[in-house]
Amino acid sequence: GQQVMQIPQYQHVQEGEDFTTYCNSSTTLSNIQWYKQRPGGHPVFLIQLVKSGEVKKQKRLTFQFGEAKKNSSLHITATQTTDVGTYFCANTGTASKLTFGTGTRLQVTL
Amino acid sequence: DTAVSQTPKYLVTQMGNDKSIKCEQNLGHDTMYWYKQDSKKFLKIMFSYNNKELIINETVPNRFSPKSPDKAHLNLHINSLELGDSAVYFCASSQGRGGAFFGQGTRLTVV
Repeated sequence: GQQVMQIPQYQHVQEGEDFTTYCNSSTTLSNIQWYKQRPGGHPVFLIQLVKSGEVKKQKRLTFQFGEAKKNSSLHITATQTTDVGTYFCANTGTASKLTFGTGTRLQVTL
Repeated sequence: DTAVSQTPKYLVTQMGNDKSIKCEQNLGHDTMYWYKQDSKKFLKIMFSYNNKELIINETVPNRFSPKSPDKAHLNLHINSLELGDSAVYFCASSQGRGGAFFGQGTRLTVV
């Protein structure tokens, strides 16, 4: 079945540094959703992108959907300790099957 | 007022037992899911229901039986629990292909 890979698996940054996670698929995606899961918490929906080349911003977070709709990225500017968690991309395929990527765990230290 | 609530939050039980996890959503969504999250944090879809009808069953052992009495509820019953069933189980709901809202999770430990 379709698998969405994320890189890196893990990243450790100093507070104030930028962070980017990438989501890649071998097939064209109908949409991309991004979620954040804090340690011990549940995934929280952040945003959905549906158009080729779409870019959306939420404060320090910038989300991009590739022109070919096979990849996406989430960029965080000037990370803060509150950004700690695992970031997942996800895709709604056929029959509304919501499949998650492998996730990127972000650690931020002072 | 919690949007997606699941109970219990923690479940510790012995191998061979049968247990149930309940989930309710008050968002009026038409689609509900069960996910299993293992120790490596992978989120694996187990089941998806749309308006009470099963639409996705992802090669889950038949010891796992979901039941949706109405579109606001999706319960998960597990028979003959095994050690490998230990994980966090999340219920979620969405409206069509929109973003999914997750419950707090049920941490199941089989001993």
